[in-house]
Amino acid sequence: QKEVEQNSGPLSVPEGAIASLNCTYSDRGSQSFFWYRQYSGKSPELIMFIYSNGDKEDGRFTAQLNKASQYVSLLIRDSQPSDSATYLCAVISNFGNEKLTFGTGTRLTIIP
Amino acid sequence: DAGVTQSPTHLIKTRGQHVTLRCSPISGHKSVSWYQQVLGQGPQFIFQYYEKEERGRGNFPDRFSARQFPNYSSELNVNALLLGDSALYLCASSLGPGQGIPYEQYFGPGTRLTVT
Repeated sequence: QKEVEQNSGPLSVPEGAIASLNCTYSDRGSQSFFWYRQYSGKSPELIMFIYSNGDKEDGRFTAQLNKASQYVSLLIRDSQPSDSATYLCAVISNFGNEKLTFGTGTRLTIIP
Repeated sequence: DAGVTQSPTHLIKTRGQHVTLRCSPISGHKSVSWYQQVLGQGPQFIFQYYEKEERGRGNFPDRFSARQFPNYSSELNVNALLLGDSALYLCASSLGPGQGIPYEQYFGPGTRLTVT
C-alpha cells in the first residue's frame, strides 16, 4: 500500500463547476497535510495546508480533513481554466523531520 | 521578498560525473529540504537540514550528500551520476520544525538535471 494515494486522473471539470480532489494516507499518526499545485514544467506551489479535522477555506479553495477515515480532500469552487494543473497531496508523519510524503498527483483539466 | 532560489536552472551531465546543486531559502527560513521529482511522480524526499544539521534522510544511495551553510543556503551533491538520476531537483524552505506542528514548506523553481 502506498503511503499517500491519489487518483491520477485526468479529472475533467466544466468551467464554473466544483472540482473535487481526493487523497488517502496510510500512517494514522500523520498530523500535517498539504495541497500543492504544479503546472507543467514548473515547481509545486503551496495552496492549502490543514492540521485539524474539519474544513479550512481560503478563497475558492476548501481543504477537508477526516483523520478517522485517513482522508483529505481539496475542493475548488468556480473552477477556472487557470486551475488546470496537477494537484499534489502531501503528508508529514514524523515531527522529527519535515519529510513531505507526496502522492503521485491528480491531473485536473478545466473545460471552458 | 524573494522566494526560494536555485541554481543552475538546467544542467546536462555525463554518466559518472559529479554535480552540485545550490539553493538559497526564503529570508528568515532556517530549514532546507531537497526532493527529487521524476516525470509523472510526486517529489521524493532526499534530505532535510535545519540549523546546519541533518534532520532527515530519504531512501537514496550514499552518492547523494548535502550540507547547509551558516547563511542557511544549501548544496546537494551527487557523485557517479547514473542515467536514472535525471530528474527535477527541488529545494524547499521553511521556518523550521515549529512547536509541535511543522511549518509549511515552499519550493524553489528547481534544477532540471539530464544525465546522458
